[in-house]
Amino acid sequence: SSELTQDPAVSVALGQTVRITCQGDSLRSYYASWYQQKPGQAPVLVIYGKNNRPSGIPDRFSGSSSGNTASLTITGAQAEDEADYYCNSRDSSGNLVVFGGGTKLTVL
Amino acid sequence: EVQLVESGGGLVKPGGSLRLSCAASGFTFSSYSMNWVRQAPGKGLEWVSSISSSSSYIYYADSVKGRFTISRDNAKNSLYLQMNSLRAEDTAVYYCARGTTAMANYYYYYYMDVWGKGTTVTVSS
Repeated sequence: SSELTQDPAVSVALGQTVRITCQGDSLRSYYASWYQQKPGQAPVLVIYGKNNRPSGIPDRFSGSSSGNTASLTITGAQAEDEADYYCNSRDSSGNLVVFGGGTKLTVL
Repeated sequence: EVQLVESGGGLVKPGGSLRLSCAASGFTFSSYSMNWVRQAPGKGLEWVSSISSSSSYIYYADSVKGRFTISRDNAKNSLYLQMNSLRAEDTAVYYCARGTTAMANYYYYYYMDVWGKGTTVTVSS
């Protein structure tokens, strides 16, 4: 079982804002990282640290954190944002790595 | 270009063994920790194992501990995963990924910023 909990599915209307959340005790000490995965492709890092975007990731993607919950926000969702999104951090021991179960985002 | 390329996947019978390799290029391999992450068909990402830059620290998920061995050869810019006693539930796409730990605002953060395309392992009789 995953130590990070995500909602299995979320939907958003085209152009609207959506928030995907990730909960876990380790998030009180670790910022979550977020990955986007489209069918048949490898995951792509979209947010890391407090709110950092790798080169090439649109600025409509942002991250935030409060207590044991991390959030990925997409402001003005586009059709190409439809994908699975995973959060990730160290576990509470700081040694192991954990992923959330993933959230399937549908853009309507 | 920063790149990771996995190889070594295939079809193996239950109880069999397989060795995966990951070739790194375009960055200083010896400066980074590395990970293996897998994804079973239709399932989410599962972290398998990680190894520090100098191989001093090695960790495994409980699901593979005692059966899988991670290693690296910094001179060859390569990461490996020796998989023994394979089970049907090990069937998955296996990705290698570069890992980084950092700290900001009294919080740590860990991320995997470079991923390979994956290699498929199928365990079936």
